[in-house]
Amino acid sequence: AQTVTQSQPEMSVQEAETVTLSCTYDTSESDYYLFWYKQPPSRQMILVIRQEAYKQQNATENRFSVNFQKAAKSFSLKISDSQLGDAAMYFCAYRSPYNQGGKLIFGQGTELSVKP
Amino acid sequence: DSGVTQTPKHLITATGQRVTLRCSPRSGDLSVYWYQQSLDQGLQFLIQYYNGEERAKGNILERFSAQQFPDLHSELNLSSLELGDSALYFCASSTGQADDGYTFGSGTRLTVV
Repeated sequence: AQTVTQSQPEMSVQEAETVTLSCTYDTSESDYYLFWYKQPPSRQMILVIRQEAYKQQNATENRFSVNFQKAAKSFSLKISDSQLGDAAMYFCAYRSPYNQGGKLIFGQGTELSVKP
Repeated sequence: DSGVTQTPKHLITATGQRVTLRCSPRSGDLSVYWYQQSLDQGLQFLIQYYNGEERAKGNILERFSAQQFPDLHSELNLSSLELGDSALYFCASSTGQADDGYTFGSGTRLTVV
């Protein structure tokens, strides 16, 4: 069974600085997808960024980028120029292809605080 | 607005009661997923439906059941409620396209007293 581990329950970053959130996963599948979700105090789950396992190029979405290391089964999220609005719980998630089920498996989350 | 609608937003009920949570997926999405988020368990997958049929089951209790109707909306039924069932229940939908990352509703906050 696939598992997702986020080893940092809490992280803190100064406004305008850069922070990296860690995520590792375990799977025997070769084709899968990885995601980072943000959950602000409103509790809404917001998709931040996605990565396809067969793509070597790391995904980037504005200030958010990932470092995907397939062999190491590592998928970290880098937030550049951190803003107060980035304060939230961040979840790493794994998804197998839809023809193999396609359910999202989440890590336990990392609570990010941003200091002004 | 994500396009996924969940009702009600908040629900307070007593132990032993039965409640129904409703989810309308984003237009065009055929898959609906239910998740439970409690403080100590993170986000737990409960069940998935695709175009009216059950596709996958997670750690869903026997007291819980769900269905997806022909108009694609879904309902999660929770019965014989216990204090430990208090949680945030999310519905998510997807197109089924390869890189789709699910779209989540705003959740239903269930409090069992």
